[in-house]
Amino acid sequence: DTEVTQTPKHLVMGMTNKKSLKCEQHMGHRAMYWYKQKAKKPPELMFVYSYEKLSINESVPSRFSPECPNSSLLNLHLHALQPEDSALYLCASSLTGASGNTIYFGEGSWLTVV
Amino acid sequence: LAKTTQPISMDSYEGQEVNITCSHNNIATNDYITWYQQFPSQGPRFIIQGYKTKVTNEVASLFIPADRKSSTLSLPRVSLSDTAVYYCLVVFSGAGSYQLTFGKGTKLSVIP
Repeated sequence: DTEVTQTPKHLVMGMTNKKSLKCEQHMGHRAMYWYKQKAKKPPELMFVYSYEKLSINESVPSRFSPECPNSSLLNLHLHALQPEDSALYLCASSLTGASGNTIYFGEGSWLTVV
Repeated sequence: LAKTTQPISMDSYEGQEVNITCSHNNIATNDYITWYQQFPSQGPRFIIQGYKTKVTNEVASLFIPADRKSSTLSLPRVSLSDTAVYYCLVVFSGAGSYQLTFGKGTKLSVIP
């Protein structure tokens, strides 16, 4: 089983709302990732968690706040977003963060900011 | 800044073999190469991963020359359902950090 589950699949939020995206995996993976993907562009790395600790933040604006409550769950808290933040948000996981460990992606959460 | 480079697009007829090459000149000793397939509105799907020489699975082969500065994904006998964007990903590691940056991807169009 190589499944990464993301909820919700679609989310529409206003610029003053607070919402969260959720991600879950039960593969025993200890590295989890958030990527953002705009239309016709490759995924862009946002955050990496390794053993529940934030190890990489690619200079993401503070209106995006990641959280890793345990080794199976990853959240992305959203607050005061802008319309240009509308995108597909992808969660991924791998056994560890080391090269050679395959990164598996979820199906993504489509976010629309109005 | 380490990066990967792929052709932007390719066309192929059904039933043909397709080879997509990715260059990664800055690959380090411990770095692996991974290929993904992505359909519109879906997450990237793992296809194959390799370190050197040749790797084969039930859907594709991956050829990596000795210098490892490039890799070629080979899709045998493509069908219309193989129309997708294919990404090469190298997790560039070194100096206590690593970069997980996708290349721009290759849009493969399979023609009947």
